[in-house]
Amino acid sequence: EPEVTQTPSHQVTQMGQEVILRCVPISNHLYFYWYRQILGQKVEFLVSFYNNEISEKSEIFDDQFSVERPDGSNFTLKIRSTKLEDSAMYFCASSNGLNNEQFFGPGTRLTVL
Amino acid sequence: RKEVEQDPGPFNVPEGATVAFNCTYSNSASQSFFWYRQDCRKEPKLLMSVYSSGNEDGRFTAQLNRASQYISLLIRDSKLSDSATYLCVVKHNQGGKLIFGQGTELSVKP
Repeated sequence: EPEVTQTPSHQVTQMGQEVILRCVPISNHLYFYWYRQILGQKVEFLVSFYNNEISEKSEIFDDQFSVERPDGSNFTLKIRSTKLEDSAMYFCASSNGLNNEQFFGPGTRLTVL
Repeated sequence: RKEVEQDPGPFNVPEGATVAFNCTYSNSASQSFFWYRQDCRKEPKLLMSVYSSGNEDGRFTAQLNRASQYISLLIRDSKLSDSATYLCVVKHNQGGKLIFGQGTELSVKP
């Protein structure tokens, strides 16, 4: 069964460093999403991406964040200068239609020290 | 006010019990409704969509009341493997953004 994959599973970084979280969505999907979940809190939407551009972003997704689909398979989330409060689980999701089920990857746990 | 609010947990129930989760949403623009399941430190997985007429999938029954902006999930004959956090999720008509509730933790004991 096709699935969304994410790497790395755990990333530890120093405050102020740049990180890139990688996702490989399901191959025929066209809509891509990033969500995050701070420990003990709810899952929060960050950004959606379709047709090589951002279609929606949340207030969390400020200038420190960017997304890219550098090739036909990867979808990345970059945080330019990490803060302590960026520590969270980051989930990538994809779907093959705006109203279709979003399939989530296993997540990348980001720890900012 | 939170856009999606759920029963506070945790719910601790014996195997075989029936358990009900409630959820309210505040934005009348919400058009699609779901229950997701999340196991500890894992990704959310779709349990079932929720339709206005109510729908059932095996031991799971979901109900939606648009007038009251209320969603429910009933689990009958609960199993140990049902232990997880249950997330109430809504989506607006515009866009694919999912809006999650805080989740309600369920622990089913032998």
